[in-house]
Amino acid sequence: EPEVTQTPSHQVTQMGQEVILRCVPISNHLYFYWYRQILGQKVEFLVSFYNNEISEKSEIFDDQFSVERPDGSNFTLKIRSTKLEDSAMYFCASSGGQGGNYGYTFGSGTRLTVV
Amino acid sequence: KQEVTQIPAALSVPEGENLVLNCSFTDSAIYNLQWFRQDPGKGLTSLLLIQSSQREQTSGRLNASLDKSSGRSTLYIAASQPGDSATYLCAGSGSARQLTFGSGTQLTVLP
Repeated sequence: EPEVTQTPSHQVTQMGQEVILRCVPISNHLYFYWYRQILGQKVEFLVSFYNNEISEKSEIFDDQFSVERPDGSNFTLKIRSTKLEDSAMYFCASSGGQGGNYGYTFGSGTRLTVV
Repeated sequence: KQEVTQIPAALSVPEGENLVLNCSFTDSAIYNLQWFRQDPGKGLTSLLLIQSSQREQTSGRLNASLDKSSGRSTLYIAASQPGDSATYLCAGSGSARQLTFGSGTQLTVLP
């Protein structure tokens, strides 16, 4: 079964540093997403990406964050100048087709720890 | 803004029991409803997807239903096993596609 692949599985970074989280979505999917889950809290939407541009973003996704699809397979989330409160599990997901009637497939996540 | 609530927050049952997990949502204009399983510290595994034109889906011992008019979905697990122990999340999407998640039900199945 097709998978969404995320790397690294765990990243530790110092406060103020930049991090890039990487994802390889399912190849024939058209929509790509980033979600995050702070320990003990709900999974929260960050951003969706379609046709090489951001289609929606939440209030969390401020100027500190950016996304990019640098080639035909990778999808990245960059966090500039990380803060302690950015510590969370970050999930990449993709969904297929137009019309919206397709379920999400999530990756196994990157646990980001900001120290 | 869509809000998703899951009841109960935690549930402990003996092996072999049938059980029902509940999910309610505030906006009936829901497009898809998806149930996920999350093991501690792990990712989200999709269990069942109910698309907008459907009312239920089944996979093995799992059955999920969706009633948009009442704003509810249920996940039924038959003949529970210790390996079913995990957190179960429901999430709904509207036409805007983003998923809104509930807080989950933490299930423990005792041998």
